[in-house]
Amino acid sequence: DTGVSQDPRHKITKRGQNVTFRCDPISEHNRLYWYRQTLGQGPEFLTYFQNEAQLEKSRLLSDRFSAERPKGSFSTLEIQRTEQGDSAMYLCASSLTQGREKLFFGSGTQLSVL
Amino acid sequence: GQNIDQPTEMTATEGAIVQINCTYQTSGFNGLFWYQQHAGEAPTFLSYNVLDGLEEKGRFSSFLSRSKGYSYLLLKELQMKDSASYLCAVRADYGQNFVFGPGTRLSVLP
Repeated sequence: DTGVSQDPRHKITKRGQNVTFRCDPISEHNRLYWYRQTLGQGPEFLTYFQNEAQLEKSRLLSDRFSAERPKGSFSTLEIQRTEQGDSAMYLCASSLTQGREKLFFGSGTQLSVL
Repeated sequence: GQNIDQPTEMTATEGAIVQINCTYQTSGFNGLFWYQQHAGEAPTFLSYNVLDGLEEKGRFSSFLSRSKGYSYLLLKELQMKDSASYLCAVRADYGQNFVFGPGTRLSVLP
């Protein structure tokens, strides 16, 4: 069990650029979640997958955000035409849908949009 | 809609006991979770309640009252390393996502 990995840890970009983040969940976990967190706030749900199927997407998520989990393993989150308001910590979490499902979080990707 | 409320900040003394409250209003209920998050780090799981009552795990205990939409996290014998944010999260239904509260930032003073 190597835990949930996220890459990169930090990303600085200019407004209008596209960025892509990667998440590698715990290998046997079938669910993968993306959350966004700003300073002093709790994580805000973005989307989640069960295996390769995207089951839910937040209504707060604009069309500039897209996520994939092509083979039911790693996932990518892409933000197109970044805005300063996108600056946040992007957290990935995975879980196993057996028993008491609980989330295991990665260390996150800190995005700064200049 | 779903709403989760927690105090923003709390301060306590090393060795003391502190209780962090969480109230929630959700369209359904399938479990309440507490997570600990140190500054700049990922949240880590602390406890889970789905039935009314108290769950004890070492220095940490969590209580749930579903009829009142209320939970608390109790931390005993506080240590400096307990200074962190404590996040309350609710799952409205099996298969749905986890909704997090704003978190309570706890400062433990010597």
